[in-house]
Amino acid sequence: DGGITQSPKYLFRKEGQNVTLSCEQNLNHDAMYWYRQDPGQGLRLIYYSQIVNDFQKGDIAEGYSVSREKKESFPLTVTSAQKNPTAFYLCASIGVRRQDYGYTFGSGTRLTVV
Amino acid sequence: DAKTTQPTSMDCAEGRAANLPCNHSTISGNEYVYWYRQIHSQGPQYIIHGLKNNETNEMASLIITEDRKSSTLILPHATLRDTAVYYCIVRVVLGGGADGLTFGKGTHLIIQP
Repeated sequence: DGGITQSPKYLFRKEGQNVTLSCEQNLNHDAMYWYRQDPGQGLRLIYYSQIVNDFQKGDIAEGYSVSREKKESFPLTVTSAQKNPTAFYLCASIGVRRQDYGYTFGSGTRLTVV
Repeated sequence: DAKTTQPTSMDCAEGRAANLPCNHSTISGNEYVYWYRQIHSQGPQYIIHGLKNNETNEMASLIITEDRKSSTLILPHATLRDTAVYYCIVRVVLGGGADGLTFGKGTHLIIQP
């Protein structure tokens, strides 16, 4: 079945370390997104990419970086510059054809700084 | 994108219809209404969307008022597995957009046995 795979499900990071969250989709979707969710809150957009080798900052991009070398993959790196990285991270994708109206989300990665 | 207002939480008895309201009084003529839900610690799941006509699929029905200033998501026979946070979103583009989706806090629907 097609879908989005995020890994790992749980991730622990020491302060000062960079960590990379994986997001892979086999839906042939063009656009991919990274969101952050804090407890009891909605989703906030970190980065998005509409085509390979191109990506744009969202509302809270500081302390994060991304790459889009392949259509299927959109990894997110949480750098040491992100001062409060503990959160639930969600990856999403959508096609850009008119009938592609539903965003597909991964199951998320819960990052904890220890 | 227009803002939406939803109740913070709602209860519904198992087997009954769950009706979740959403106000979007500033919606413009070309904005669609989307509904998603998020079960605890999972990614949001698309439920349904509409422009001005009522819509129905295998998961739910969407009723949009004639003036389009509000809508109601109906889960016809709620089960315990429908307990989740439900998000109502309005936005212009139907496909992938440059701004992604703006999720507020949604409505926490609790299905009671």
